[in-house]
Amino acid sequence: DTGVSQDPRHKITKRGQNVTFRCDPISEHNRLYWYRQTLGQGPEFLTYFQNEAQLEKSRLLSDRFSAERPKGSFSTLEIQRTEQGDSAMYLCASSLRAGGADTGELFFGEGSRLTVL
Amino acid sequence: AQKVTQAQTEISVVEKEDVTLDCVYETRDTTYYLFWYKQPPSGELVFLIRRNSFDEQNEISGRYSWNFQKSTSSFNFTITASQVVDSAVYFCALTDGQNFVFGPGTRLSVLP
Repeated sequence: DTGVSQDPRHKITKRGQNVTFRCDPISEHNRLYWYRQTLGQGPEFLTYFQNEAQLEKSRLLSDRFSAERPKGSFSTLEIQRTEQGDSAMYLCASSLRAGGADTGELFFGEGSRLTVL
Repeated sequence: AQKVTQAQTEISVVEKEDVTLDCVYETRDTTYYLFWYKQPPSGELVFLIRRNSFDEQNEISGRYSWNFQKSTSSFNFTITASQVVDSAVYFCALTDGQNFVFGPGTRLSVLP
């Protein structure tokens, strides 16, 4: 399978626990994005990387959230001290930005659903 | 700031009807890109189309067609002769080449 893969697909945790999600993008893609989607809403941008550099973070990304892409390949999104409001689907997407004015489309994974009890 | 509005929250049609999903966007950039994505019940967002701000030519792909009008900042999506398999949530999105901003989505139900 050469698509975007996310792990785990589902995570149930108790409030206050830490959780970590992993995303493996399409191998030749240099950009990786994290989005959050709640029921009935569109994806909300959290952060994105070009290679290993984190280029932008949304103000939605509080200090309890941290994302890394240490070798420019896979990425992790960690949420510390989870709150019930963190319950959502966390989506990862990747794209190939080859320079110039062209912008490739995002390819999405199936998402990691987080439930905080 | 960039913004995407999809005023239609939910639409229901009977199979074989045509249906148009509206998308209105806001941006200060002169170069930008617009997208439509489909999210079926299985959940994974699927890319449908991309247009750049310099190309206002309408596009048709099978039963799908897109109408991009810069003058009204709209990028509408029409499905002709809808089918039950078209039932999904459809998202319009906008990017300046950095972050992608998505609209709230339109849930389309095609009834047999």
